[in-house]
Amino acid sequence: GAVVSQHPSWVICKSGTSVKIECRSLDFQATTMFWYRQFPKQSLMLMATSNEGSKATYEQGVEKDKFLINHASLTLSTLTVTSAHPEDSSFYICSAPRPDISDEQYFGPGTRLTVT
Amino acid sequence: DAKTTQPTSMDCAEGRAANLPCNHSTISGNEYVYWYRQIHSQGPQYIIHGLKNNETNEMASLIITEDRKSSTLILPHATLRDTAVYYCMVQISNFGNEKLTFGTGTRLTIIP
Repeated sequence: GAVVSQHPSWVICKSGTSVKIECRSLDFQATTMFWYRQFPKQSLMLMATSNEGSKATYEQGVEKDKFLINHASLTLSTLTVTSAHPEDSSFYICSAPRPDISDEQYFGPGTRLTVT
Repeated sequence: DAKTTQPTSMDCAEGRAANLPCNHSTISGNEYVYWYRQIHSQGPQYIIHGLKNNETNEMASLIITEDRKSSTLILPHATLRDTAVYYCMVQISNFGNEKLTFGTGTRLTIIP
């Protein structure tokens, strides 16, 4: 079964509004989670590393004031897209490692955001 | 992280073995080879990883050349559900805590 969930699975919002995407680790604690973005027919691009209890680490070129990340608990990280614009429409995916089990990362099912 | 190169796309007949190559000629001695796949509109799924020995699990086999500059992922009996984009990556294994850098991957299509 799924070990990482995301909510919502898809969302449509109007330009200028904000939308929050949740990433939860199920039955395990994740001190680190990763957020990726994927445009159609392209590969995944890492946006930021979410660290429980501390500030997120953003990749070069990703606006931290636009993509707010909060990792408030060991099982939940949230990504808020603020003042969304049509160019923010994308597939957002989170992942979490589970080092006590293996070297793999577990990915969520993704959230498709459409900004109109 | 070392860069990897993969063919853009491949076809394989259902029931046959699918062999997906990956070149990683600049791999460092402490970097592992990881394979993930992404079925359309889903999150990626871990397949297998290895350092220098060949590895096998319930999903696939990983063959790494002796000089570690290339590897091959083998799906022994491909099914239609194996149609996906397959990503080969190299990274220092840190119990999964390292961020993954996805390349363009190989789009594998299983033909009925």
